[in-house]
Amino acid sequence: AQSVTQLGSHVSVSEGALVLLRCNYSSSVPPYLFWYVQYPNQGLQLLLKYTSAATLVKGINGFEAEFKKSETSFHLTKPSAHMSDAAEYFCAVSEWGNNDMRFGAGTRLTVKP
Amino acid sequence: DTGVSQNPRHKITKRGQNVTFRCDPISEHNRLYWYRQTLGQGPEFLTYFQNEAQLEKSRLLSDRFSAERPKGSFSTLEIQRTEQGDSAMYLCASSLRVEVPEYEQYFGPGTRLTVT
Repeated sequence: AQSVTQLGSHVSVSEGALVLLRCNYSSSVPPYLFWYVQYPNQGLQLLLKYTSAATLVKGINGFEAEFKKSETSFHLTKPSAHMSDAAEYFCAVSEWGNNDMRFGAGTRLTVKP
Repeated sequence: DTGVSQNPRHKITKRGQNVTFRCDPISEHNRLYWYRQTLGQGPEFLTYFQNEAQLEKSRLLSDRFSAERPKGSFSTLEIQRTEQGDSAMYLCASSLRVEVPEYEQYFGPGTRLTVT
């Protein structure tokens, strides 16, 4: 079954610094990969998704992620952090033929002024 | 498109009581999912519907849990004889089933259950 591992439960960056949130996946078939963001007391909002087209995927709010098959990774990046980026970020994987989406444990991003 | 809505947003109940949550998906979406999220964890899949048919249930969904989607629109999740371990955020999501599985799931704000 598919699974994801998010390295680092907490990441802290300064405002304006690079954001890098790590995600590694396990899948027996080509995966579909997603990054979601969750603000306090809210549901999950899709940031971006990889669906076997371009390996570099651009999402909302200036985020992007690169699918690297050789490394089984789908890390999320943003060149310059903003205070409003502080939230919980979840990487998720699904597979063709499976109907459930598997989420990582999440990474809490803190942005320091 | 008014988004996925869930009611109530918060529920506090005593152990042993029954609770029911409601989810209203985006109107044209034919798939509806339930997830459970505990503190510090990502959402865990519980079950999903395609239209009114419940097609898959996780082993996390014990016999105290039941979900329905009677007319293929809104869904309810009932927990009978609640236990303290049921305390969690219950998330609902919906999606549009298309020929290619590039669908994305749209999440509601969740119902936070506290069992005392």
